[in-house]
Amino acid sequence: GAGVSQSPSNKVTEKGKDVELRCDPISGHTALYWYRQSLGQGLEFLIYFQGNSAPDKSGLPSDRFSAERTGGSVSTLTIQRTQQEDSAVYLCASSAQGGSYEQYFGPGTRLTVT
Amino acid sequence: DQQVKQNSPSLSVQEGRISILNCDYTNSMFDYFLWYKKYPAEGPTFLISISSIKDKNEDGRFTVFLNKSAKHLSLHIVPSQPGDSAVYFCAASRGSSNTGKLIFGQGTTLQVKP
Repeated sequence: GAGVSQSPSNKVTEKGKDVELRCDPISGHTALYWYRQSLGQGLEFLIYFQGNSAPDKSGLPSDRFSAERTGGSVSTLTIQRTQQEDSAVYLCASSAQGGSYEQYFGPGTRLTVT
Repeated sequence: DQQVKQNSPSLSVQEGRISILNCDYTNSMFDYFLWYKKYPAEGPTFLISISSIKDKNEDGRFTVFLNKSAKHLSLHIVPSQPGDSAVYFCAASRGSSNTGKLIFGQGTTLQVKP
């Protein structure tokens, strides 16, 4: 079956612009996660969705970051007024239920802020 | 505050030999640990996990060992194969968090030479 997909695969944007990153989870998976991986670092948790609600937003680094999920499926991560330190690979993962550690990851979106 | 640490950025082993990847953690509340494997331009894929009530879990060529008193876990791959060459991330979670939020180490790049 189809895995987690993310778009775009690569995004280059100018500092100060807004960007939207999209995630399509595995069909039927109720839990969705966003992580990011900066150069030379591990994956950093950003936000967790259970259905359309986000009970854990503790990893969002600033109020320039927001995310939503609609229809219990697609999620969009929005970064406003991008900064160079936002450059990273943004990874989305889904799991069959909340609290499941066996998360299935998408290929990521590589964001470069120039 | 790096709660999960992989102190070896890289490891090189000969095909057929054992690969040992190490991971240390600082938060005694972590009670579930996982290893993920990542190939370039792909998302991480789940490899093996262990609950804190166990000290060993085995799956084919992969064995994870957990030493709670030392707050240390390791992944053994025997025998190593060239296809095992990838970046390996350890991750930890707190069962009580009920979100499945994972805290990742920085990763270790394993190269298995033919």
